[in-house]
Amino acid sequence: GQQLNQSPQSMFIQEGEDVSMNCTSSSIFNTWLWYKQDPGEGPVLLIALYKAGELTSNGRLTAQFGITRKDSFLNISASIPSDVGIYFCAGLPSQGGSEKLVFGKGTKLTVNP
Amino acid sequence: DSGVTQTPKHLITATGQRVTLRCSPRSGDLSVYWYQQSLDQGLQFLIQYYNGEERAKGNILERFSAQQFPDLHSELNLSSLELGDSALYFCASSVGGDGPYEQYFGPGTRLTVT
Repeated sequence: GQQLNQSPQSMFIQEGEDVSMNCTSSSIFNTWLWYKQDPGEGPVLLIALYKAGELTSNGRLTAQFGITRKDSFLNISASIPSDVGIYFCAGLPSQGGSEKLVFGKGTKLTVNP
Repeated sequence: DSGVTQTPKHLITATGQRVTLRCSPRSGDLSVYWYQQSLDQGLQFLIQYYNGEERAKGNILERFSAQQFPDLHSELNLSSLELGDSALYFCASSVGGDGPYEQYFGPGTRLTVT
């Protein structure tokens, strides 16, 4: 089915380190979105990707829409303590004709100062 | 601030009761989505409305219902509440139709059933 496998599930890093996380699927997606959620808050949209191969940056964040359209990557450079949170990927399947996003289960990021 | 508003922020109620959660989408957005997030869980899609009509349904219980009004605000009604319904409930909105499909989330309503 249209499931997203997001990895890693959690990460513990030192301030200043770079971070990489990814989402993969066996299905093709037309759109990839990356969100960050702080505890008890709503997810905040970080980056939206619409074309295969697209590479988009938002400050220290960079995300890519995989060439196969079955995966996406998010990189955070020079992490800082406020990067702590849960990062979700979300994709819009190419089949189905709906606007319903499929969400990954999240990557929990902890940054040690 | 995403532009999506949700009320109330917190709700505490007893089992068996009924509550209504309210959402106002971003200005210009026609689609509203409801999600449930239990402790340390991912986002579970409940239901989507587009311009007043139900568009897509997820794992929404029969005890739950929703509607979208002519002014595009939406309400999620939860009835015969059980302890397991305690969760964060998020509303999101998007332009809808032919896109773009970016969803913007509200701050959520934390429901506690005792």
